[in-house]
Amino acid sequence: QLQLQESGPGLVKTSETLSLNCTVSGGSISSSIYYWGWIRQPPGAGLEWIGSIYSSGSTYYNPSLKSRVTISVDTSKNQFSLKLNSVTAADTAVYYCARPSRAGAAYGSFEFWGQGTLVSVSS
Amino acid sequence: QSALTQPASVSGSPGQSITISCTGTSSDVGAYNYVSWYQQHPGKAPKLMIYDVTDRPSGVSTRFSGSKSGNTASLTISGLQAEDEADYYCSSYTRSATLEVFGTGTRVTVL
Repeated sequence: QLQLQESGPGLVKTSETLSLNCTVSGGSISSSIYYWGWIRQPPGAGLEWIGSIYSSGSTYYNPSLKSRVTISVDTSKNQFSLKLNSVTAADTAVYYCARPSRAGAAYGSFEFWGQGTLVSVSS
Repeated sequence: QSALTQPASVSGSPGQSITISCTGTSSDVGAYNYVSWYQQHPGKAPKLMIYDVTDRPSGVSTRFSGSKSGNTASLTISGLQAEDEADYYCSSYTRSATLEVFGTGTRVTVL
């Protein structure tokens, strides 16, 4: 069974860079025909798709975050990563990594999810 | 791109059926048959319940069904059970640069 697990600091200072990894088990990113994505959820609020990456490195980003986001993949570690720079309190959220159910789709119908990790931004 | 509109809360008694609406526009819900529904229990990750408007992933109860008419998608839960009490979110592809938009979320309460 495919499993995803987020890891990274739970506290980031204002204006610095948020960095998270997602480790995939039960499947190989490099041989996958799927995109791998990041989604966030501020406390008490709804979901927001951040962006997605293919094993080749091809990416799609939410334009509202595109100027500050970089998603990368490390197939040797079976991981993909999220970097969000110049963070503010508005970036405080639970960050999830996830994989869509549809092969070749960069977003929509996310079927497999990590447990999520809360990242707080504070000065 | 504004979020898709869902009712803040819906409630029902055990055994009843409830329907949650998800209203968008001709640029998202009305334009694509790529509407998904997620169930989220407190402190847990969302769980995909419906995709492509009507399809259920393997393992999801047949009590959950989806439909769409025009710019509004709907999720129906039949035979409501205590375990169905959760937050529900819809999502859709969108023609806007955002590519995907989520709904505002609906809290389902089992009375």
